[in-house]
This record gives sequence, C-alpha cells and structure tokens, in this order.
Amino acid sequence: GAVVSQHPSWVICKSGTSVKIECRSLDFQATTMFWYRQFPKQSLMLMATSNEGSKATYEQGVEKDKFLINHASLTLSTLTVTSAHPEDSSFYICSASRGLETQYFGPGTRLLVL
Amino acid sequence: QKEVEQDPGPLSVPEGAIVSLNCTYSNSAFQYFMWYRQYSRKGPELLMYTYSSGNKEDGRFTAQVDKSSKYISLFIRDSQPSDSATYLCAMSYTDKLIFGTGTRLQVFP
Repeated sequence: GAVVSQHPSWVICKSGTSVKIECRSLDFQATTMFWYRQFPKQSLMLMATSNEGSKATYEQGVEKDKFLINHASLTLSTLTVTSAHPEDSSFYICSASRGLETQYFGPGTRLLVL
Repeated sequence: QKEVEQDPGPLSVPEGAIVSLNCTYSNSAFQYFMWYRQYSRKGPELLMYTYSSGNKEDGRFTAQVDKSSKYISLFIRDSQPSDSATYLCAMSYTDKLIFGTGTRLQVFP
C-alpha cells in the first residue's frame, strides 16, 4: 500500500514554455500533498504544501506565480512550472500524507529546460 | 546550527557488514522519526517509521530513537550491494518533514 505515482518521469522543454507534472496517490486518499525540488547530491527542498480544495502554502523564496499548484482531489495534485527557464531544470518530487504520520514519495520528475 | 545533522559520507563497507547510520537533531518537539532510502534518480522510499523513542525492527533493518540524546540510528545487518544508496533521516512534529542531508552508502562485493 501507499503508492504514489508521478507523470511524466522526465520532460524536456524549451525556455518560456509551461510544464505540468501530475502526482497521484494510487491506493489511499491523501489529506496533504507536498512538492519538493532536489538538486544533484543535495537533500530535498520543500517547495509547497497543498490540501485538497484549498490554496497551496509556499515556502519562503518559492515564487507562487511561477510554480502553480492545484490540488483537485484527495488523490491528485499538479505542479505547473510556468514560463520555464534553464535555472528551473531540476528533479521534482511529490509526496502524499494521510495525516501526521509519514509521507510517501513519488518516483520524481526530471525537468530539463533548454 | 541545522535542525537535523547527518554525516554525508560516503560510507563504504564490504558485503555482509553491519552498517550504522546516524542523525542528531536539536528540536525536542520532534515526535515522528523516519528513514528513507533513495537510489540515484529515484524518489525516496520509506524504510522505517518510529513514533517517539524506542527500537523498531524490520528484517535486516533496525531503527533506534533516543529522544533524551536527540539521536537516531539505522542499522543494516548483512549489508548487500543492492543496499548501496543514499539514506535520508527525516523527522517531524507537524505535517512537514525535516530532512538530514543524507548519507551515501556503498556496499562492495
């Protein structure tokens, strides 16, 4: 149990375009979903926390207009990187939680902006 | 001082060895303690989850939490080359996880 999927697993796009990443909890309803970013050989950096039906809470320094998060249901959250630039290239990972217990992570999405 | 400290390694051990991975923390409010394993270019995989102090065992893995010392450990018995990965400790008292930097483990045949 506690499986989280992400789609796509990798994406290459041109600078200035927008990219949408989907995160789904496959076998449980997630009260909260989280979006992280990870640079090579570094730990995970929390970008935002989202609850179904409400606006996401962004961490300090994360541009909410650039990283749009929609949490449409208890099993689906999306992250849209708007007007992507090469510095947005990174590994994006989502996680889902059923409560105060732990988070279950997706496999990650590798984004390369040319 | 970081809230969670973890030696980044790399830690290199021969197959069959017992591996000890550790984290220290400064916030006494932490109640939930986790260990994740992350292979290269993959998302973290939950290995162990402990609430408050004590030990927990699952197969070759044992997690220990000592809240009085603000110290948590993960032991891996009979280590295998497939255990080669980065191990992240994480802890929380709200819905947010605070991660250590991760320890790279290499198990050579």
